[in-house]
Amino acid sequence: KNEVEQSPQNLTAQEGEFITINCSYSVGISALHWLQQHPGGGIVSLFMLSSGKKKHGRLIATINIQEKHSSLHITASHPRDSAVYICAAVSPDKLIFGTGTRLQVFP
Amino acid sequence: ETGVTQTPRHLVMGMTNKKSLKCEQHLGHNAMYWYKQSAKKPLELMFVYSLEERVENNSVPSRFSPECPNSSHLFLHLHTLQPEDSALYLCASSQDFLAGQYNEQFFGPGTRLTVL
Repeated sequence: KNEVEQSPQNLTAQEGEFITINCSYSVGISALHWLQQHPGGGIVSLFMLSSGKKKHGRLIATINIQEKHSSLHITASHPRDSAVYICAAVSPDKLIFGTGTRLQVFP
Repeated sequence: ETGVTQTPRHLVMGMTNKKSLKCEQHLGHNAMYWYKQSAKKPLELMFVYSLEERVENNSVPSRFSPECPNSSHLFLHLHTLQPEDSALYLCASSQDFLAGQYNEQFFGPGTRLTVL
């Protein structure tokens, strides 16, 4: 079992839908990253958070340290949001990545 | 444009070849990273350099040899690779690196490597 698990693995949505991607981890962490990887490979850092909630545009990330769980929400989804979303947990001595959630948003 | 460039973007090599991947960052950062991304597997952190010194080496085989001549450039020298080394190799940089902390990183576009 991976120390960082994401769900779902694949997600399809219609434009405008509210999207939730989940990340659960089994290790103690100091922070958690959310990354976005577009087709072709380029990765963009979306959020780094250690508690509570962060918002940037239509993206919202939350983390519950007690439950060892983080969520990434996308409001009013758009086809350009189609990408792989990756969470990464910062444990005391290493950075552990989830396998990613592939999101496709159709017009 | 993320400020981190990688060359080449695609590379095909035989198992007996020697090649190098290059990464350059134009962000004035002090830390640089090499990652490997294989199909269906999570990203794997390979090496971390901070102020041109290697600070992390995550059990990477010696056929991968990193070099950081200055804080803007990072190389990954490849020799006698195996077909299972075929993957996307990503470079990243961050302002600084402190042990146990991984701050916001800026990624390059990656080099798609195929080993025949």
